[in-house]
Amino acid sequence: EPEVTQTPSHQVTQMGQEVILRCVPISNHLYFYWYRQILGQKVEFLVSFYNNEISEKSEIFDDQFSVERPDGSNFTLKIRSTKLEDSAMYFCASSEIGQGGDTQYFGPGTRLTVL
Amino acid sequence: AQSVSQHNHHVILSEAASLELGCNYSYGGTVNLFWYVQYPGQHLQLLLKYFSGDPLVKGIKGFEAEFIKSKFSFNLRKPSVQWSDTAEYFCAVTSGAAGNKLTFGGGTRVLVKP
Repeated sequence: EPEVTQTPSHQVTQMGQEVILRCVPISNHLYFYWYRQILGQKVEFLVSFYNNEISEKSEIFDDQFSVERPDGSNFTLKIRSTKLEDSAMYFCASSEIGQGGDTQYFGPGTRLTVL
Repeated sequence: AQSVSQHNHHVILSEAASLELGCNYSYGGTVNLFWYVQYPGQHLQLLLKYFSGDPLVKGIKGFEAEFIKSKFSFNLRKPSVQWSDTAEYFCAVTSGAAGNKLTFGGGTRVLVKP
């Protein structure tokens, strides 16, 4: 069964450094998402992406964040200057058609630790 | 803004016991409802979902959920749990007004003792 994959599984960085989290969505999916879960808190939506554009973003997704689909398979989340509060598990997801009832398939997550 | 609440943070039960996990959402319009499960060391995966039709939805591994619109609820049930059902369970919702973003509840950790 096709799966969403994410790399790295764990990233440790110093405050102020840039990080790029990578995701490979399921190959025939057209909609891509990033979510995050700070330890002990809910899974929160960050951004959705379709047709090489952001289709929706949350208040969390400020100018420090960006997303890109640099080629036909990867989907990346960049944090330009990391803060301590960016420490979280980051989940990538993808779906076929992007409608409300469509199933989003999640990757295993990247644990980001900002020191 | 829509929100989702799961009332139980932790549930401990023995094998063969019945399980019911509560989920309530706050949104007055059309919603799509999901239960995801995360087994230890694995990624979030879909158990079941409701978007229209029969409000009693059957999912994988013997789980079912009932959408009760008047109560804004979508409770998850399994009549007889197994040790392998030990996992964290997440209720989530999308709505027409909020696009396709999933809004999650806080999750319920279920421990099934053998």
